[in-house]
Amino acid sequence: KAGVTQTPRYLIKTRGQQVTLSCSPISGHRSVSWYQQTPGQGLQFLFEYFSETQRNKGNFPGRFSGRQFSNSRSEMNVSTLELGDSALYLCASSLLGRENQPQHFGDGTRLSIL
Amino acid sequence: GQSLEQPSEVTAVEGAIVQINCTYQTSGFYGLSWYQQHDGGAPTFLSYNGLDGLEETGRFSSFLSRSDSYGYLLLQELQMKDSASYFCAVARMADSWGKLQFGAGTQVVVTP
Repeated sequence: KAGVTQTPRYLIKTRGQQVTLSCSPISGHRSVSWYQQTPGQGLQFLFEYFSETQRNKGNFPGRFSGRQFSNSRSEMNVSTLELGDSALYLCASSLLGRENQPQHFGDGTRLSIL
Repeated sequence: GQSLEQPSEVTAVEGAIVQINCTYQTSGFYGLSWYQQHDGGAPTFLSYNGLDGLEETGRFSSFLSRSDSYGYLLLQELQMKDSASYFCAVARMADSWGKLQFGAGTQVVVTP
């Protein structure tokens, strides 16, 4: 069974630009969560999607948004990039997003803002 | 507020046993998970404790005490490949859909 696939693996952008990251979950998984990982703040929850609906949201500004398609694939978008947005963005999928279901993470997209 | 505390680093030799403690303060606690992350890699799920007690999976075991707001991950028969960061993560009843609150991580260094 294929794992969670995130593209691209690496991105370099400049301040003010926008970026779109993609995540393909494990087949059959309907819940997709996004996390930001930085050395200073650790792993922080961004949002979760299930059946094309955002069910949960973390404490990030509105510049961070996402969506989910009917095939459960998900994208996240960051607009007006800031230096502080440099991070590893991780996508995780689970069957239904329940607390006792393992989240399966992709290898992440490493975003660098110049 | 909510917080998760775990040691920043633990060093041990091959074959030894390591215990990583995790204490939490969170309202509406639902369960405690553990994840392993190698440098440059993706976090991988190790275990979940929803009820008090011990869960064993091979060389790894995890324990939870709800009354003490405390859990631990036990790594036995340490191997070099166990050198990684280990995160405890809490799920809360109020907003548990797909959301985990992670601790800062414990770097485990295994020496020959």
